[in-house]
Amino acid sequence: QVQLVQSGAEVKKPGASVRVSCRSSGYTFSHYAIHWVRQAPGQRPEWMGCIGAANGNTEYSQHFQDRVTITRDSSASTAYMDLSGLKSEDTAVYYCARSYGLLVILFTHWGQGTLVTVSS
Amino acid sequence: DIQMTQSPLSLSASVGDRVTITCQASQGITKYLNWYQQKPGKAPKVLIYDASNLETGVPSRFSGSGSGTNFSFTISSLQPEDIATYFCQHYASLPPTFGPGTKVDIK
Repeated sequence: QVQLVQSGAEVKKPGASVRVSCRSSGYTFSHYAIHWVRQAPGQRPEWMGCIGAANGNTEYSQHFQDRVTITRDSSASTAYMDLSGLKSEDTAVYYCARSYGLLVILFTHWGQGTLVTVSS
Repeated sequence: DIQMTQSPLSLSASVGDRVTITCQASQGITKYLNWYQQKPGKAPKVLIYDASNLETGVPSRFSGSGSGTNFSFTISSLQPEDIATYFCQHYASLPPTFGPGTKVDIK
């Protein structure tokens, strides 16, 4: 079955960077896109960006003003999300999610979520 | 960015009740609208895609309708396992955005 497995929880200080990984299995990695969505406590999900697994094309939310970078290693069926310049407001659960494409954004499968805590 | 609003933000109903949630987009999104269910500590789960299509494996008591800027989501007969927060999400343009969520519980 389709599975997206994310890396573990992180605690970071303000100004630091974090990398979250998302390993896919149970489907052909290159046939879908991987999106990153975060959710702060009690808040609605917020889309951060995505990558086409076949060609590596990316799209990002302007809200993150170049702080986010999404990459993938096709040989490992793994996508990565790097977020730099961390602030306390970045404390959230970060999810990867699969969709049919960069613009056909229906999240049919999700990772388990990675809690990132930013605190001095 | 297209803004999504939902109403109500919370509701309490009895088992067997019909429950309806509305979602409004700040501009027309044709039918590019999905509905998700989220339970505490879990990732969202898609129930309805493209406004009115039931995702495979989702019980038929869930349904959706609408187009343009106004959409609705209905649970025809509320069950105890439906206690959750429900979000709408558009994908008419980037960035896709979610509504604020409607928290549903049992009276």
